[in-house]
Amino acid sequence: AQKVTQAQTEISVVEKEDVTLDCVYETRDTTYYLFWYKQPPSGELVFLIRRNSFDEQNEISGRYSWNFQKSTSSFNFTITASQVVDSAVYFCALSDYGNKLVFGAGTILRVKS
Amino acid sequence: EAQVTQNPRYLITVTGKKLTVTCSQNMNHEYMSWYRQDPGLGLRQIYYSMNVEVTDKGDVPEGYKVSRKEKRNFPLILESPSPNQTSLYFCASSSAEGLAGDSEQFFGPGTRLTVL
Repeated sequence: AQKVTQAQTEISVVEKEDVTLDCVYETRDTTYYLFWYKQPPSGELVFLIRRNSFDEQNEISGRYSWNFQKSTSSFNFTITASQVVDSAVYFCALSDYGNKLVFGAGTILRVKS
Repeated sequence: EAQVTQNPRYLITVTGKKLTVTCSQNMNHEYMSWYRQDPGLGLRQIYYSMNVEVTDKGDVPEGYKVSRKEKRNFPLILESPSPNQTSLYFCASSSAEGLAGDSEQFFGPGTRLTVL
């Protein structure tokens, strides 16, 4: 069965610090997709990234970067030079056969000015 | 604009009073699903539908019903709501084409339900 673990329940940082959110997943399939979503205080889910299991290249988008390592079944998310607007709940999710998403419990990120 | 809409956005109700949360998408997507979000549990799938008249249970279907009479609509029905169904609900849709998980999931804005 698929499973996603986000061991960090809550992280607090001071603005401009770098922060890494951890995500570990379990699946028996060789073809799968990994996602990160952001949920700001307003409540909507904001799609950040989708990565398939055959592409282990790291991804960078502005201050955001993702490190995918199949050897450790991890898909970690780093925010560089964090800002107050980054404060949100961040979800990692997995999708293998079918369109169902299996979500982790989420990590609450608080960025203080 | 491609979107998934949900109504109502907020609802406070009492135990046992039947309610329906509507979900509609304008992208001609085959796949639609409902999730509930609870603290410490993330989002869990309630029901999903691969196409019109085809629905199936997700991970937490107890106490919920769905229907898919039209491709664009996928209402979530609580016949007799209970306090443990107090949650934040999301509807999602995606194209069924492509490899598993390849299609982007579009989420609605969420419905915050409180059952007293």
